[in-house]
Amino acid sequence: AQRVTQPEKLLSVFKGAPVELKCNYSYSGSPELFWYVQYSRQRLQLLLRHISRESIKGFTADLNKGETSFHLKKPFAQEEDSAMYYCALQEYGNKLVFGAGTILRVKS
Amino acid sequence: GAGVSQSPSNKVTEKGKDVELRCDPISGHTALYWYRQSLGQGLEFLIYFQGNSAPDKSGLPSDRFSAERTGGSVSTLTIQRTQQEDSAVYLCASSLGGGLRTEAFFGQGTRLTVV
Repeated sequence: AQRVTQPEKLLSVFKGAPVELKCNYSYSGSPELFWYVQYSRQRLQLLLRHISRESIKGFTADLNKGETSFHLKKPFAQEEDSAMYYCALQEYGNKLVFGAGTILRVKS
Repeated sequence: GAGVSQSPSNKVTEKGKDVELRCDPISGHTALYWYRQSLGQGLEFLIYFQGNSAPDKSGLPSDRFSAERTGGSVSTLTIQRTQQEDSAVYLCASSLGGGLRTEAFFGQGTRLTVV
């Protein structure tokens, strides 16, 4: 079964500090992995996906198949990064499964 | 509008009543998902429709929950004999389907409160 684990419910950092939101997955095949973000009073939206190998709003995520991880990183946190972040996994053609989410709070 | 639309935005119902939540996906999207978002529980998968395939109902928490998708477009999530633990935000999402084009677009959600 597909499973996504986000071990931290809340991550609090100071502005300018590095951020790493952890995500581990359990899947035997080659999954597609995503990070979704929900800002206050906004809809849940896609932040980035591993297949695109892109950097969005300074965030990057590298798929590590050996460690089955897809951690989200940003070198210097900004206050506007405060939001709920969800890691998600999808097998081709199948449902999208989310982790429990991590609240990121960036303090000034 | 071009986005996923859900109605109603808020619903307050008495325990034991039935409720119907509606989702209008983005036109042309073959995949449709329902999730439940509760405080401290994250995003819980409920049901997934993909084209004409049989829906994946593995996330429905009990037989009080059901969903249908008519004509491959609009979907309705029905909760019968509502309980207080059903109180949550119910989110609908749609996507173009499996494979590389799998960005899911979410609606604004329906906040259900069972009193």
